Amino acid sequence: SQTIHQWPATLVQPVGSPLSLECTVEGTSNPNLYWYRQAAGRGLQLLFYSVGIGQISSEVPQNLSASRPQDRQFILSSKKLLLSDSGFYLCAWTGQLMNTEAFFGQGTRLTVV
Amino acid sequence: SQQGEEDPQALSIQEGENATMNCSYKTSINNLQWYRQNSGRGLVHLILIRSNEREKHSGRLRVTLDTSKKSSSLLITASRAADTASYFCATVQGAQKLVFGQGTRLTINP
Repeated sequence: SQTIHQWPATLVQPVGSPLSLECTVEGTSNPNLYWYRQAAGRGLQLLFYSVGIGQISSEVPQNLSASRPQDRQFILSSKKLLLSDSGFYLCAWTGQLMNTEAFFGQGTRLTVV
Repeated sequence: SQQGEEDPQALSIQEGENATMNCSYKTSINNLQWYRQNSGRGLVHLILIRSNEREKHSGRLRVTLDTSKKSSSLLITASRAADTASYFCATVQGAQKLVFGQGTRLTINP
């Protein structure tokens, strides 16, 4: 069966420090991968999505970047965190045909202090 | 940009009552999906309705889709305290971009 792993669950980082959040998928191949950010009590803001290795689409110009070094690995990074980067980050995957549901990781609560 | 927009933003009802949430979207779709999110957790898929379907049921859930009005509704019948969560609709923009609305925060009071 397919599973998605996202870690860490919580993270407290100082302003100006780097960030690396990792997401991996098991049990499927060539998934579409997504990173979302959610502010408290708000909806999901799409940050990046990828339809294949090395293919990254950026939705919002900001302090973050994403990479997909392997088929089932999606990494969200920042060289220098800002206070405004705090939030709940969610990774998700779907099949290529987009005719079935998306599966989400459990999320990472990032607090920049 | 957010494709789906849910309303109301928040809904509070008594246990046993029905809860209805609405979603509007802007572009043509192949399908529309509804998800549930418990506080501090990832989203869980509830139901998918295709563009050629008008209504779909799953247990206590009923989803309708009106492509002429670019809107969908999610009805939860006989609500339970455990239904307390946020509910989101999602659509696909372009070929692969999955976007979500702002969600409806549903509170079921015992």
